[in-house]
Amino acid sequence: NAGVTQTPKFQVLKTGQSMTLQCAQDMNHNSMYWYRQDPGMGLRLIYYSASEGTTDKGEVPNGYNVSRLNKREFSLRLESAAPSQTSVYFCASPGSPYNEQFFGPGTRLTVL
Amino acid sequence: AQSVTQPDIHITVSEGASLELRCNYSYGATPYLFWYVQSPGQGLQLLLKYFSGDTLVQGIKGFEAEFKRSQSSFNLRKPSVHWSDAAEYFCAVGGGSQGNLIFGKGTKLSVKP
Repeated sequence: NAGVTQTPKFQVLKTGQSMTLQCAQDMNHNSMYWYRQDPGMGLRLIYYSASEGTTDKGEVPNGYNVSRLNKREFSLRLESAAPSQTSVYFCASPGSPYNEQFFGPGTRLTVL
Repeated sequence: AQSVTQPDIHITVSEGASLELRCNYSYGATPYLFWYVQSPGQGLQLLLKYFSGDTLVQGIKGFEAEFKRSQSSFNLRKPSVHWSDAAEYFCAVGGGSQGNLIFGKGTKLSVKP
């Protein structure tokens, strides 16, 4: 039982390149979330998925797209990376809304 | 709108000293409250949570927190800090409109030998 897993752990991109961050959970939870963490900013919600087949924007969605592939997997895509997207990205999944969220280990992304 | 404030950006304490990290929240109803810890280069680990009932909650690693509704606070405490407690601590409230957690900006804890 791995909880929430994320790949890759580290990534360096050049401006304009694209990439997909992968997230999977084995807890059979309905909801999944993507946050970004920036120094002095805490964690901010990018996108979330309340259930399989549904996604919706969070606080900072610009420049990102998501796919809820199935109940286990929720991916985050950067179509054309920008330096402002240099951040640490966390995927999370709660057992129920507003409840404790289980976090993945994070992806540290640098955009040059 | 819901919000969480952690007034202290950086705190330094001596090993063995007591610790209190402050957290204030803004939320209309009875909140779900959380404290997470993040060691350098690591993910977030839940220390403790408050949903209802006893306002003093115990967590892992010897931490506790007290919910004070009248002060809209949920301060984290530890009686004796260990060097391994050096990390960043985040307070969060379960009040986001998408069922998400709203996080404070974090308090970085340094421990002096």
